[in-house]
Amino acid sequence: DTGVSQDPRHKITKRGQNVTFRCDPISEHNRLYWYRQTLGQGPEFLTYFQNEAQLEKSRLLSDRFSAERPKGSFSTLEIQRTEQGDSAMYLCASSPRGEYNSPLHFGNGTRLTVT
Amino acid sequence: GNSVTQMEGPVTLSEEAFLTINCTYTATGYPSLFWYVQYPGEGLQLLLKATKADDKGSNKGFEATYRKETTSFHLEKGSVQVSDSAVYFCALHITDMRFGAGTRLTVKP
Repeated sequence: DTGVSQDPRHKITKRGQNVTFRCDPISEHNRLYWYRQTLGQGPEFLTYFQNEAQLEKSRLLSDRFSAERPKGSFSTLEIQRTEQGDSAMYLCASSPRGEYNSPLHFGNGTRLTVT
Repeated sequence: GNSVTQMEGPVTLSEEAFLTINCTYTATGYPSLFWYVQYPGEGLQLLLKATKADDKGSNKGFEATYRKETTSFHLEKGSVQVSDSAVYFCALHITDMRFGAGTRLTVKP
């Protein structure tokens, strides 16, 4: 169990550029989640996958955001035409099964700074 | 909708003091409840959990009891240490996990 891995750890980009983040969940975890966390706030749910199917998306996930998990393993989160308000820590988490009592295992996050 | 409200911080305590961080929830259905901790420079880690009413979760001297009648899951520790300084998040999980805003705890020697 190597834990949830996220890449990159930090990303600085200029407003209007596109960025893509990658998450590798714990192997054999079938659920994968994306959250966003801003300073002084708790993580806000963005979306989650069960295997390759995207089952739920938050209204926070505007049309500039897209997430994929094409083979049910790693996932990518893309933000197009970044805005300064997108600056945040983007967290990925995975869980071993879809039951409601499963804790989520979090990665260390990707910190995005939009200048 | 499902949501969690937790005590605003920051909380500053002296070593060996008693800690309570309040957490209440609103949920449709029967959520599982969690406390996560985020130490400086680290990712979120599960601290403890409870999956049904009257369950008590415990770990590292921390405890929380799932109280359905008061929709609460307050975090307690009898004697805090400097190493407990961190941000604590209450969370509930039904289809996805929803977090409170976090409570920053600082323990002074």
